[in-house]
Amino acid sequence: SQTIHQWPATLVQPVGSPLSLECTVEGTSNPNLYWYRQAAGRGLQLLFYSVGIGQISSEVPQNLSASRPQDRQFILSSKKLLLSDSGFYLCASVARNNYEQYFGPGTRLTVT
Amino acid sequence: GESVGLHLPTLSVQEGDNSIINCAYSNSASDYFIWYKQESGKGPQFIIDIRSNMDKRQGQRVTVLLNKTVKHLSLQIAATQPGDSAVYFCAENMRGGSYIPTFGRGTSLIVHP
Repeated sequence: SQTIHQWPATLVQPVGSPLSLECTVEGTSNPNLYWYRQAAGRGLQLLFYSVGIGQISSEVPQNLSASRPQDRQFILSSKKLLLSDSGFYLCASVARNNYEQYFGPGTRLTVT
Repeated sequence: GESVGLHLPTLSVQEGDNSIINCAYSNSASDYFIWYKQESGKGPQFIIDIRSNMDKRQGQRVTVLLNKTVKHLSLQIAATQPGDSAVYFCAENMRGGSYIPTFGRGTSLIVHP
């Protein structure tokens, strides 16, 4: 099975500051990778997904961006955070040979 | 638009009872359905899945039922335990292309000892 690592676990950042969240995957090669955001008491909103190195698809236009510099590394970034960027950010991975999606432990981001 | 939704946002049960969590989907092109469990402050965890060529699939204490006629999905948990308390999400994926599941809003299951 896969293991998804995310850090940091919690983050408090002021409005206008930059953001960098990192996700790494163990246990599979060439996975599909995803970034989701979850507001309190709500479902999962897909932000970005990637089918390979350097290949990023954006689902929601916003001030966030994603990059995949290595096969099992997925990074979520922002140049200037907004209050509305607060939420629980989840990285997920799906192996090429099946549809089982594994999630990381998440990063709780609070923008103040 | 196409969506996946849940009938009940909160379900309270007594320990030992059976729980049934329901989910409605509207995309007839979906051919793969998944249930996830999310405990507070953690990422979702895969529970069980089912493909559209099946109407029932059983796991350990869990059963997923799929009714394609009415586009309905349910998760049955037998002998519910306090550790089952969590938010449960259903998700659907359309056949073909990349795997990009659409998640429902979620149902909070509360198990009383």
